[in-house]
Amino acid sequence: SAVISQKPSRDICQRGTSLTIQCQVDSQVTMMFWYRQQPGQSLTLIATANQGSEATYESGFVIDKFPISRPNLTFSTLTVSNMSPEDSSIYLCSVAGQGSNQPQHFGDGTRLSIL
Amino acid sequence: QKEVEQDPGPLSVPEGAIVSLNCTYSNSAFQYFMWYRQYSRKGPELLMYTYSSGNKEDGRFTAQVDKSSKYISLFIRDSQPSDSATYLCAMRLNSGYSTLTFGKGTMLLVSP
Repeated sequence: SAVISQKPSRDICQRGTSLTIQCQVDSQVTMMFWYRQQPGQSLTLIATANQGSEATYESGFVIDKFPISRPNLTFSTLTVSNMSPEDSSIYLCSVAGQGSNQPQHFGDGTRLSIL
Repeated sequence: QKEVEQDPGPLSVPEGAIVSLNCTYSNSAFQYFMWYRQYSRKGPELLMYTYSSGNKEDGRFTAQVDKSSKYISLFIRDSQPSDSATYLCAMRLNSGYSTLTFGKGTMLLVSP
């Protein structure tokens, strides 16, 4: 399976600031996904990012708050904008292998705390 | 009713025990079923990936899917302390790149 690297692995940020999380994959992938994992909650999909098109956001998530870039088939970024303590969470990047019906594989996540 | 129900645990067992982890779901259209293992401060790692009903075995791990009961299980034989982790079930529809629906995860603790 693909090797997925996320940066930063963790950060502590001030309220009102923004943070960009990077996801790098060691092979070309069609689909990249961004999830949020909060304590005691299921992994929640934020958006799906395809190269060359706008990201598709899930209900409850908007582009102004979570802008995503997908400049090529191996890289994506998620920005968490105007952060508040409620944004404290683990943010995970995931990729699906080439071809439909392939399973998703995850990076190790970014642990974000907002003061 | 939530789409996927999973007992959060923790489930504590002695080393060598057989572990049974389970999820129930409500959407009969789910066709692909996955189990992920997540260690502390790590991302979910794919353990098992199955399509439709039946069993799949990989080493000490066996995944079972019973679509008639909307129930999936992961069995771990000869459990080891290194199996201590949170186990997440996930499932999705049979339509190309459809999104995953996750359970909340079960924390497993295997004591030596």
